Amino acid sequence: EEQLVESGGGLVQPGGSLRLSCAASGFTVSSNHMSWVRQAPGKGLEWVSVIYSDGSGGSAYYADSVKGRFTVSRDNSKNTLYLQMNSLRAEDTAVYYCARVRGGGIDACDMWGQGTMVTVSA
Amino acid sequence: DIQMTQSPTSLSASVGDRVTITCRASQSIITYLNWYQQKPGKAPKLLIYAASSLESGVPSRFSGSGSGTDFTLTISSLQPEDFATYYCQQSNTTPGTFGPGTKVDIK
Repeated sequence: EEQLVESGGGLVQPGGSLRLSCAASGFTVSSNHMSWVRQAPGKGLEWVSVIYSDGSGGSAYYADSVKGRFTVSRDNSKNTLYLQMNSLRAEDTAVYYCARVRGGGIDACDMWGQGTMVTVSA
Repeated sequence: DIQMTQSPTSLSASVGDRVTITCRASQSIITYLNWYQQKPGKAPKLLIYAASSLESGVPSRFSGSGSGTDFTLTISSLQPEDFATYYCQQSNTTPGTFGPGTKVDIK
């Protein structure tokens, strides 16, 4: 069964760091484009980042709101996606979802994890 | 960045009603438009991709149309399990911006 399971969320002080993990099963992370999407409490969905598959060059892109602070990466041996979040701010408080992105030019998120909550507060 | 808007922000409807939600992009996105359904406390679920293609396993009462800047999601006969929030997302360019969502609740 194909599945994504996020972990690593929690309470962190402003200016702190956190690393989120997204473990995949049933498919290979490195062969797929993968995204992070977040949702602040009571708000809508916000696209955070995408990392393209190894076959497509493996480039990563970020929303302006997180550029320079967040880094997406993969560990192919663990079939896991990561989001390293530094210099966290109160406005980064959200549920963070990882998602598989369907390729072939469609780029729709066709599988989502259950989400992990990040709270940035003193 | 491409901006996405949706209308209405919310709507109240009854089981069996035909429901239409509109999504508009700030510039042409051709047909790179996806629709998601989200229920409270749950992850979003892909319904429609490439403006009009039905995701596998999604009931045929859901349909999408449009191209360029204007798109619609239609639910032909609303069912109890369809009460949720619906988001559009453009995937023409990075960042893949989402619309603000449309909440569909029970009249």
